[in-house]
Amino acid sequence: AQKVTQAQTEISVVEKEDVTLDCVYETRDTTYYLFWYKQPPSGELVFLIRRNSFDEQNEISGRYSWNFQKSTSSFNFTITASQVVDSAVYFCALIRNSGNTPLVFGKGTRLSVIA
Amino acid sequence: DTEVTQTPKHLVMGMTNKKSLKCEQHMGHRAMYWYKQKAKKPPELMFVYSYEKLSINESVPSRFSPECPNSSLLNLHLHALQPEDSALYLCASSQEVGLAGSDEQFFGPGTRLTVL
Repeated sequence: AQKVTQAQTEISVVEKEDVTLDCVYETRDTTYYLFWYKQPPSGELVFLIRRNSFDEQNEISGRYSWNFQKSTSSFNFTITASQVVDSAVYFCALIRNSGNTPLVFGKGTRLSVIA
Repeated sequence: DTEVTQTPKHLVMGMTNKKSLKCEQHMGHRAMYWYKQKAKKPPELMFVYSYEKLSINESVPSRFSPECPNSSLLNLHLHALQPEDSALYLCASSQEVGLAGSDEQFFGPGTRLTVL
């Protein structure tokens, strides 16, 4: 069975602080993909990143960075110098690389960035 | 065009009404999805269409009836809904389903449904 755990339900930070959102996953598959999505108050889910299980390189995109560690089954997301526009619910998700299988979402972390 | 559009944005319906939600994408994606999202919860998969054929039905009640008229359109027909069906209904699309399982899904803005 596959599972994604986002232990932080809600986080509040002051603007310009750095913040890390945790994601821990469980799977028996050797090939799988991990995703992060952002859901602002408007409702749509915005794709942020995809990472396959064989690529453990960390990734940086502007103020966003991701740390994938297979040894700890974690795929954490850091926002540097947070801004009010970063306020949203962030979902980590997992999908296996075979067949018609659904995307498994974590429960999400609600990030509030206060000016 | 990298957009998934959904109409209507908001819908209020009674338990005896029949209504439809619409979703459209012009990215050439061959997989389309319906998700249901209750407040403060992650999206839950309802249906997956692959090449216009229903490939996954996650044990959804028959009062929800999906339809994929062509590769760009996905409908969700609603009939005799219950108040607990009130939720945000999200449509998504991706290049493929199952080929690699890896394609990111692009989501629409959702239809916020209220059943009275």
